[in-house]
Amino acid sequence: GAVVSQHPSWVICKSGTSVKIECRSLDFQATTMFWYRQFPKQSLMLMATSNEGSKATYEQGVEKDKFLINHASLTLSTLTVTSAHPEDSSFYICSAREPRPRRGTEAFFGQGTRLTVV
Amino acid sequence: AQTVTQSQPEMSVQEAETVTLSCTYDTSESDYYLFWYKQPPSRQMILVIRQEAYKQQNATENRFSVNFQKAAKSFSLKISDSQLGDAAMYFCAYTPLYNTNAGKSTFGDGTTLTVKP
Repeated sequence: GAVVSQHPSWVICKSGTSVKIECRSLDFQATTMFWYRQFPKQSLMLMATSNEGSKATYEQGVEKDKFLINHASLTLSTLTVTSAHPEDSSFYICSAREPRPRRGTEAFFGQGTRLTVV
Repeated sequence: AQTVTQSQPEMSVQEAETVTLSCTYDTSESDYYLFWYKQPPSRQMILVIRQEAYKQQNATENRFSVNFQKAAKSFSLKISDSQLGDAAMYFCAYTPLYNTNAGKSTFGDGTTLTVKP
């Protein structure tokens, strides 16, 4: 199957600093990528949809200025957590879907990033 | 809005036996995909099996099979000959194919499966 690489796998940062997480599709072009947040032993909650060449679409309740998303190329989307605080500590996962006409292809997930804000 | 419900927070099975995980969903769409994902302690999401809503035949992947009941909006996962490596959290996911939500997956709350040796 297709490969999606997420980097870094884990990061610890000080409160008030910003952290960037990268999501790359390694062997296909992803016009759309998705960013999820997952708390321990809970489900994945969609944060935003990243669209190549245009603004991201955020889900209700997600702060756009806190979670900056950039999808500058067909293989790379980045999530920047700005002015991070301890409550932003979580597991962040990206996924990418091969574009149509390969209808119904499953979403390929990155390895996830564990963010700890101290 | 679509919802996905997994009513079993935890399940346990003896090694080599069979276990069924339940999933129900709600949608007004007629064409969509359903998935079961496995998330081991590493937290990497691994696709287990997928079902295309327009196909009546239940999907099967080796020891994993589904019971897809479209009218009832039910999508259960059966794991046969359970192995220790099957222990993980399992998520059921619904993905629409059309409209503005195309490609966005909605996940259930997950079922933690324990396999006893």
